[in-house]
Amino acid sequence: GIQVEQSPPDLILQEGANSTLRCNFSDSVNNLQWFHQNPWGQLINLFYIPSGTKQNGRLSATTVATERYSLLYISSSQTTDSGVYFCAGGGSYIPTFGRGTSLIVHP
Amino acid sequence: DAGITQSPRYKITETGRQVTLMCHQTWSHSYMFWYRQDLGHGLRLIYYSAAADITDKGEVPDGYVVSRSKTENFPLTLESATRSQTSVYFCASTGDTEAFFGQGTRLTVV
Repeated sequence: GIQVEQSPPDLILQEGANSTLRCNFSDSVNNLQWFHQNPWGQLINLFYIPSGTKQNGRLSATTVATERYSLLYISSSQTTDSGVYFCAGGGSYIPTFGRGTSLIVHP
Repeated sequence: DAGITQSPRYKITETGRQVTLMCHQTWSHSYMFWYRQDLGHGLRLIYYSAAADITDKGEVPDGYVVSRSKTENFPLTLESATRSQTSVYFCASTGDTEAFFGQGTRLTVV
């Protein structure tokens, strides 16, 4: 099956800093998503982005499908951005998850 | 309410007991999934279903049973719970694009 690697595994920021999270896939995916798992454990959909670039407020994502990677950008980070960020995707409709990037934003 | 809901949210059970986790979605999505989340492993697929009466194993199916007699429901049963099945369980569904997740069920087997 598809392998999903996320980097970095852990990230600590001061409020206001920018960051880039990366997701690499071992094979082509056609349903790539980014999720944020908040401190209460809820999985929140951030982007459905099998290719191209999308932006939503301070967050944006870019997927380069031909090179099998995706990037999540967080600008002007806030303490509420803390949590774990997952990417997931697959060649079919079945999402395979990476192990996540744990983000802590300090005030 | 539209969406995907799991019940119960929290469950404590004893080793050897049977327990069923429920999942209900209101979108008529074809695909439904069960994942478990454990520290150090991320989310791992237990079982999935492509349609009513069609189910298949995921990465970690041992000790679990699923059924899907109706499109909107996808229960997960632990036939004889073990301590290694203590975990947070997530149900999800998708049509043909993005997947949506339930709130999760925290199961503790003592």
